[in-house]
Amino acid sequence: ETGVTQTPRHLVMGMTNKKSLKCEQHLGHNAMYWYKQSAKKPLELMFVYSLEERVENNSVPSRFSPECPNSSHLFLHLHTLQPEDSALYLCASSQAWTADNEKLFFGSGTQLSVL
Amino acid sequence: EDQVTQSPEALRLQEGESSSLNCSYTVSGLRGLFWYRQDPGKGPEFLFTLYSAGEEKEKERLKATLTKKESFLHITAPKPEDSATYLCAVQAIPGNTPLVFGKGTRLSVIA
Repeated sequence: ETGVTQTPRHLVMGMTNKKSLKCEQHLGHNAMYWYKQSAKKPLELMFVYSLEERVENNSVPSRFSPECPNSSHLFLHLHTLQPEDSALYLCASSQAWTADNEKLFFGSGTQLSVL
Repeated sequence: EDQVTQSPEALRLQEGESSSLNCSYTVSGLRGLFWYRQDPGKGPEFLFTLYSAGEEKEKERLKATLTKKESFLHITAPKPEDSATYLCAVQAIPGNTPLVFGKGTRLSVIA
C-alpha cells in the first residue's frame, strides 16, 4: 500500500460518542497534518506534527485531540462533538515541516456526520 | 491577514472550450503559491508551485502563471476528465507557516 491512507472513509456519530480517525503514511515523511474541509469554506489547518512533536495547533476546540505515536501514524480522537463539526477530515503528510512544504500528500479523508 | 480569493466559484465548459481560473491573494511576503486538484471523494492532489512573478508552469492542458497579486490557471482544450475542484493556496514568508487555501473553483467539462 502506498501514499496516505485514512480510515474510516465515513463515520456517523452521536454527540455523546467517542470515536477516532486514523491516518497512516507510507512515504517516509516526517510531518503529518490534520485539515478540516467544510462545504463553501477553505481548507482549515487543525494540527501539525513534525517528527512526532506537535508544532501547530490552530485554536482547535478540545473535543478534538490529536495523537502521533510515530512518524507514520496520526490519530484524531473525537468526543462530545457538535453538529457543526460535520465535515470532511483530511490527513496529509510532507517530507518535512520546512519552508518547502508544498508537496503535501493528502489522504482521501473521513466524511464525518454528527447527529 | 493572509487571504486567498478564487473565482469563479463554479465554471461549466464544453469540451475543447479553453478558459482560465483566477486566484487573487494578499500576503505580507510570498514564499510560494500552490495549485491543487481535488476530485470528488478524494483529497487534494498537488499540481504546481510558483515562487515569483512572471513564473509559469505547465502540465498537459494546464498552465499556471503568477503576478504580484494573482495567479491564473489556464485550461486549454479541456476534456471531461479535467472536471474537478481546483484549489489555490499561498505560503507566506518566513517559512514554516501553514498554507492558506482559497475556497476553490469547481470545474465541470461537458462532452
